[in-house]
Amino acid sequence: QKEVEQNSGPLSVPEGAIASLNCTYSDRGSQSFFWYRQYSGKSPELIMFIYSNGDKEDGRFTAQLNKASQYVSLLIRDSQPSDSATYLCAVNTGFQKLVFGTGTRLLVSP
Amino acid sequence: AAGVIQSPRHLIKEKRETATLKCYPIPRHDTVYWYQQGPGQDPQFLISFYEKMQSDKGSIPDRFSAQQFSDYHSELNMSSLELGDSALYFCASSVRLAGGADTQYFGPGTRLTVL
Repeated sequence: QKEVEQNSGPLSVPEGAIASLNCTYSDRGSQSFFWYRQYSGKSPELIMFIYSNGDKEDGRFTAQLNKASQYVSLLIRDSQPSDSATYLCAVNTGFQKLVFGTGTRLLVSP
Repeated sequence: AAGVIQSPRHLIKEKRETATLKCYPIPRHDTVYWYQQGPGQDPQFLISFYEKMQSDKGSIPDRFSAQQFSDYHSELNMSSLELGDSALYFCASSVRLAGGADTQYFGPGTRLTVL
């Protein structure tokens, strides 16, 4: 079992819809959680980070963290075709390294 | 805003050759991380440096070594290259925040192809 689990997708949503991306992690000591967006052949681009239980909003993006359930999610409102990419969930367990999930591929159709 | 710089962007080597990848962190960032991403895979942590000292180590082969220099740039040295080393190599940098986890920003990557 991977330390960080994501559904590989693809997750297909129409333009303007809400895309919901989910991630679970196994280490209860995990302290901080990150969402990165990665286009094919490009580097991961930081979308959001969250440390505390609850919701954190930034523009069209909302990250949600539930440490009791070991679950973190990313909502993308008003999805655009340019949002089509792989979304990587990453977890920091207290050491420096990030542990990544395998990513969820999001496809937003016009 | 300045970003992480990596060089070269593309590198082609033969088996058993050596390669050196360079990373220049965002100004005032004190920590550098190296990740390897194979085709269709997620990034795998290799090694990190904080204030020029190795701070964490992941699945880095013994054939690889790395260091961080006084100007905070880092180099990843790879010897006896194997076909399986073909991958994207990302460098990330962060600044240590009191009481908080470091937020890592990734460079554009070096695509290494071993023939």
